[in-house]
Amino acid sequence: DAKTTQPPSMDCAEGRAANLPCNHSTISGNEYVYWYRQIHSQGPQYIIHGLKNNETNEMASLIITEDRKSSTLILPHATLRDTAVYYCIVRGPESTGNQFYFGTGTSLTVIP
Amino acid sequence: KAGVTQTPRYLIKTRGQQVTLSCSPISGHRSVSWYQQTPGQGLQFLFEYFSETQRNKGNFPGRFSGRQFSNSRSEMNVSTLELGDSALYLCASSHRGAGGYEQYFGPGTRLTVT
Repeated sequence: DAKTTQPPSMDCAEGRAANLPCNHSTISGNEYVYWYRQIHSQGPQYIIHGLKNNETNEMASLIITEDRKSSTLILPHATLRDTAVYYCIVRGPESTGNQFYFGTGTSLTVIP
Repeated sequence: KAGVTQTPRYLIKTRGQQVTLSCSPISGHRSVSWYQQTPGQGLQFLFEYFSETQRNKGNFPGRFSGRQFSNSRSEMNVSTLELGDSALYLCASSHRGAGGYEQYFGPGTRLTVT
């Protein structure tokens, strides 16, 4: 079952940074934070994941608080193509199984 | 590398029929997971297969079943279709590795039950 809480919707101006928050107060020490996004009826797309340290890749940055109870996904320069539903997911290492429990996500709208 | 492929992309069936959906994972990936997405319930985990064995199962009735072949390709079957089975069925593949790793999703099969 989903272990994360996200705001249902957010707006962001095109070209500005989009900061999407996620609360995961019951996260365990060996659980990772994953972010996916889904653009209208397509398959979810992997964005980034992390355990303790902040992570950055070509798509986004992931900031995890020191107590690991919350995180923020940052899209540095949002474009119209970033309009999607963003899911924050907490899951254990591979040994505990591959299932992802998706919550309701945040619907991000990038405004021109 | 080619992505995850799912066939067919669209399907229309009648109540009471059965349906088989197919998923080809990314080359080298041995884990295949299936998800159901509906407007009311969102994305829900169905089951996961690894090396031809079901490793995890979500909370779905026995009408939903699956299998995995030696080449890692997977099929899922839904018998005695109900109207509520209308959904987008998504397949995801991943490779075994230490620590965290990502799943790659296919485009999905849109099933409509009439």
